[in-house]
Amino acid sequence: SAVISQKPSRDICQRGTSLTIQCQVDSQVTMMFWYRQQPGQSLTLIATANQGSEATYESGFVIDKFPISRPNLTFSTLTVSNMSPEDSSIYLCSVDVGRTGELFFGEGSRLTVL
Amino acid sequence: EDQVTQSPEALRLQEGESSSLNCSYTVSGLRGLFWYRQDPGKGPEFLFTLYSAGEEKEKERLKATLTKKESFLHITAPKPEDSATYLCAVPMDSNYQLIWGAGTKLIIKP
Repeated sequence: SAVISQKPSRDICQRGTSLTIQCQVDSQVTMMFWYRQQPGQSLTLIATANQGSEATYESGFVIDKFPISRPNLTFSTLTVSNMSPEDSSIYLCSVDVGRTGELFFGEGSRLTVL
Repeated sequence: EDQVTQSPEALRLQEGESSSLNCSYTVSGLRGLFWYRQDPGKGPEFLFTLYSAGEEKEKERLKATLTKKESFLHITAPKPEDSATYLCAVPMDSNYQLIWGAGTKLIIKP
């Protein structure tokens, strides 16, 4: 298992600004995943963050909008850049400790853009 | 196209009233089906993995079953604390990234 801490838990931001979300894991993991969950909808994978390499982004998500850092095996950040109201969502980081597909999730960061 | 569909979208039950949630999927080679529980304001919590048709897993009042086309999450004599959104997910054909269903919101009334 893994314990994942995300910060901030929630924030209200102005249009055009950027916000960085932090994800800290209590154990070393190779792959970390960043998801978005819009109100009433399921999870959409934004990108996979591997330590020591560039993040891999899913279709519809680009590095300029969602830059990711992965400086070590226990930490990652996701930045939501130049925010618009459409970016209002819950952002979740997760890890697959045993590489089995069984994911552990952080509590999520609820972002509201005005 | 790989797809996961959950039904119903929402389910309201009285405490003690048993029922089932459905997760149907279309992937050519199933490499596992995952059930998660998500409470409001929290990230999903892993419940079960099923790998082959006929497999069953149980945890307290929950039992997950799997066929070649769908999975059921049976809830027996539920309690209000079982209220949550239940999500299922399967790995994509092309890689191990998960395709998620939209979830079933379960509400158990005392």
